[in-house]
Amino acid sequence: DIQMTQSPSSLSASVGDRVTITCRASQSISDYLNWYQQKPGKAPKLLIYGASTLQSGVPSRFSGSGSGTDFTLTISSLQPEDIAIYYCQQSYSAPPWTFGQGTKVEIK
Amino acid sequence: QVQLQESGPGLVRPSQTLSLTCTVSGDSISSGGYFWSWIRQHPGKGLEWIGYIYHSGSTNYNPSLRSRVTISVDTSKNQFSLKLTSATAADTAVYYCARATITARPRFDHWGQGTLVTVSS
Repeated sequence: DIQMTQSPSSLSASVGDRVTITCRASQSISDYLNWYQQKPGKAPKLLIYGASTLQSGVPSRFSGSGSGTDFTLTISSLQPEDIAIYYCQQSYSAPPWTFGQGTKVEIK
Repeated sequence: QVQLQESGPGLVRPSQTLSLTCTVSGDSISSGGYFWSWIRQHPGKGLEWIGYIYHSGSTNYNPSLRSRVTISVDTSKNQFSLKLTSATAADTAVYYCARATITARPRFDHWGQGTLVTVSS
């Protein structure tokens, strides 16, 4: 299985801050990397696919980058509604498709 | 707008079979181009992909669950289903059905709201 490791596990930042979450794959996955946002009690929502393509309707303050084994999700200016848990997921190799353990984003 | 809705018992007895159905609206399962998937989330934990089915009936399962999982599709009802045999407390989780678009890079772009299944006597 391809293991996905996110860092940090949690972070606290102020409104307007630039926030960066990293995801590392245990082997190269090219750009088969997706990012999801999950708010409490809700289903995950797709933010970014193919490492850097913004899903339709997602605010442009979200961006993704990376290739191979190292990937980054960036929120350029943190907003109160961005409080959530963020997950990366690889779709390079199935079975199984695997998720990172999540990064909890809070407001300072 | 594509919508997915899970349904099924919220309580399953240990050793019994956990059965859920996902009803899809706003899209046809028969149209192709998608993997129809099940994903679960243990309480307070991360996400675990269970498996998917294509409209043709071909499937792919997580090896950790393969011996107990069956995913099937009923195109006439626009539904797909999950069966997980020999349920234990470790199967207690929120179960999501989701559509994975497979053009370009596969990704879960539509999700059901999720349904909590508790395995307990």
